[in-house]
Amino acid sequence: AQKVTQAQTEISVVEKEDVTLDCVYETRDTTYYLFWYKQPPSGELVFLIRRNSFDEQNEISGRYSWNFQKSTSSFNFTITASQVVDSAVYFCALSEAKRGAQKLVFGQGTRLTINP
Amino acid sequence: EAGVVQSPRYKIIEKKQPVAFWCNPISGHNTLYWYRQNLGQGPELLIRYENEEAVDDSQLPKDRFSAERLKGVDSTLKIQPAELGDSAVYLCASSLEGTSLRGKLFFGSGTQLSVL
Repeated sequence: AQKVTQAQTEISVVEKEDVTLDCVYETRDTTYYLFWYKQPPSGELVFLIRRNSFDEQNEISGRYSWNFQKSTSSFNFTITASQVVDSAVYFCALSEAKRGAQKLVFGQGTRLTINP
Repeated sequence: EAGVVQSPRYKIIEKKQPVAFWCNPISGHNTLYWYRQNLGQGPELLIRYENEEAVDDSQLPKDRFSAERLKGVDSTLKIQPAELGDSAVYLCASSLEGTSLRGKLFFGSGTQLSVL
């Protein structure tokens, strides 16, 4: 069975601080996808990134970066120089990497609050 | 481009009453999902449609929940009768099949259901 664990329920930091959101996953699949989604107060989840299990290269997009380590089954998300607009609930998710298997299993989410 | 549209935004009903949620996915998206999100938790899949066919409804409580996607476009999720434990946010999402897009779901803002 697939499982995603986000141990941090809530994080609160002051603006401009760096913050890392942790994600640990469990799966028996040999190929899979990992995701991060953002849920702002408006409610709709917004796709941020997808990583394939065979691609362990870290990725950076502006102030966002992701660290994928297969050896520890982790896919952590770092926001550098955080801003108030980053305040949201962030979800890590996992799915099989095959056609027709688009069922995402989500973690419990981490509520991030950036204080001015 | 219009996003995923859901209605109503909020619904308050008494237990044992019926309720229905409506979803209009992004034009051209063949896959449609209904997720349920309990307070403080990540979304959990209820049902997934490929066009008008329900391809994964294993987590849909079929004794009281039903869904349909006529003509492979709009979808309706119904609960009859509602129970107190059904209080949650019901999220609709859509996506396009394709390797590069797999797992990239577009979500609506959800319907927040309160059962009293």
